[in-house]
Amino acid sequence: KQEVTQIPAALSVPEGENLVLNCSFTDSAIYNLQWFRQDPGKGLTSLLLIQSSQREQTSGRLNASLDKSSGRSTLYIAASQPGDSATYLCAVIWGDMLTFGGGTRLMVKP
Amino acid sequence: DAGITQSPRHKVTETGTPVTLRCHQTENHRYMYWYRQDPGHGLRLIHYSYGVKDTDKGEVSDGYSVSRSKTEDFLLTLESATSSQTSVYFCAISTSTNEKLFFGSGTQLSVL
Repeated sequence: KQEVTQIPAALSVPEGENLVLNCSFTDSAIYNLQWFRQDPGKGLTSLLLIQSSQREQTSGRLNASLDKSSGRSTLYIAASQPGDSATYLCAVIWGDMLTFGGGTRLMVKP
Repeated sequence: DAGITQSPRHKVTETGTPVTLRCHQTENHRYMYWYRQDPGHGLRLIHYSYGVKDTDKGEVSDGYSVSRSKTEDFLLTLESATSSQTSVYFCAISTSTNEKLFFGSGTQLSVL
């Protein structure tokens, strides 16, 4: 069974700080890994998708890396802004299913 | 939300009653999924579909059934709702298992 863990569960940082969110998974036989953002009371928005053959993906201030052999991914957010405040979830495709981590709740203070 | 509509957005029902949630997409994506999200458990897959009339169970399928008679519609049915099924239910779609997943806005279901 695939287990996905995200640490920390919550994070509070001042505006402008660069930060790293962590995601680990137990079975490295994944097809891809996705990072999502969820705002309170809303659905999930896909941020980045990294295929199993890739090492990283970038979108604007976001950079996600993938190390399959160690079962880890990181989401790097540069120059954080209050609008980045949300819950960030990672998920891996393993077999036909997407398995989610518990998420990291991020608060960026002005 | 990438052409995904969930209905209803909110529902309150009583234990033992049947409930059907609907997911409608306008994207013609092959894959459709139903997830539930609960504090302390995160998002868990209930059922998914990989084509019309092709469905399979997810991690927490007990007490739920699904149907997909058209590409655009995926129905989730609780035959006899229980309080443990109080949750937020999300529908998601994708073109394949190796592509991005797009989520609907969710249905808040309360079973009293």
